[in-house]
Amino acid sequence: EADIYQTPRYLVIGTGKKITLECSQTMGHDKMYWYQQDPGMELHLIHYSYGVNSTEKGDLSSESTVSRIRTEHFPLTLESARPSHTSQYLCASSELEGAKNIQYFGAGTRLSVL
Amino acid sequence: GESVGLHLPTLSVQEGDNSIINCAYSNSASDYFIWYKQESGKGPQFIIDIRSNMDKRQGQRVTVLLNKTVKHLSLQIAATQPGDSAVYFCAERPGGYNKLIFGAGTRLAVHP
Repeated sequence: EADIYQTPRYLVIGTGKKITLECSQTMGHDKMYWYQQDPGMELHLIHYSYGVNSTEKGDLSSESTVSRIRTEHFPLTLESARPSHTSQYLCASSELEGAKNIQYFGAGTRLSVL
Repeated sequence: GESVGLHLPTLSVQEGDNSIINCAYSNSASDYFIWYKQESGKGPQFIIDIRSNMDKRQGQRVTVLLNKTVKHLSLQIAATQPGDSAVYFCAERPGGYNKLIFGAGTRLAVHP
């Protein structure tokens, strides 16, 4: 069982508010990821990090930003939330083992912007 | 309640039957593939993986088959149980990258 935690689990917030979604892992993994997933749909990578002070944008454009100051922590921030940001956000981490790349996921944060 | 999975293909099986979930991947250079199970309200959970130099890999009650000729991946679940009901995603890793590209998902519904 993976030790990766996301808070909050659910968030309902008004338009224009600044929010930060938290993600922490205790496995010492170098690589961390943020995905956006609409209900029942596929996961889209929006940000990833290969280690401290490393962040990259993913395949799906997102207005959110991320930071990686500590190995275990990879928060995602929206400066001004909009209804189009309503979605589920999933955080994952992995450690490359040769050719394998098993990503372990948190339970997700379901965001609703009114 | 939320509207979930309106666009998802659904596989309905009887408890005890074998299930086969299929996935077509896009990149012929992908070198690693992985299946995840996602239950309602949870994050995806790793099931089984396979490298591109293999055709088949077995786990506990699950088997993954890889056909590189037609870029097809399948997940077989033996003696399907109600607890197997979930959405299943395949993912591929394009060669040389440390990222996964996820497919659209298939909902498995197990009936008693």
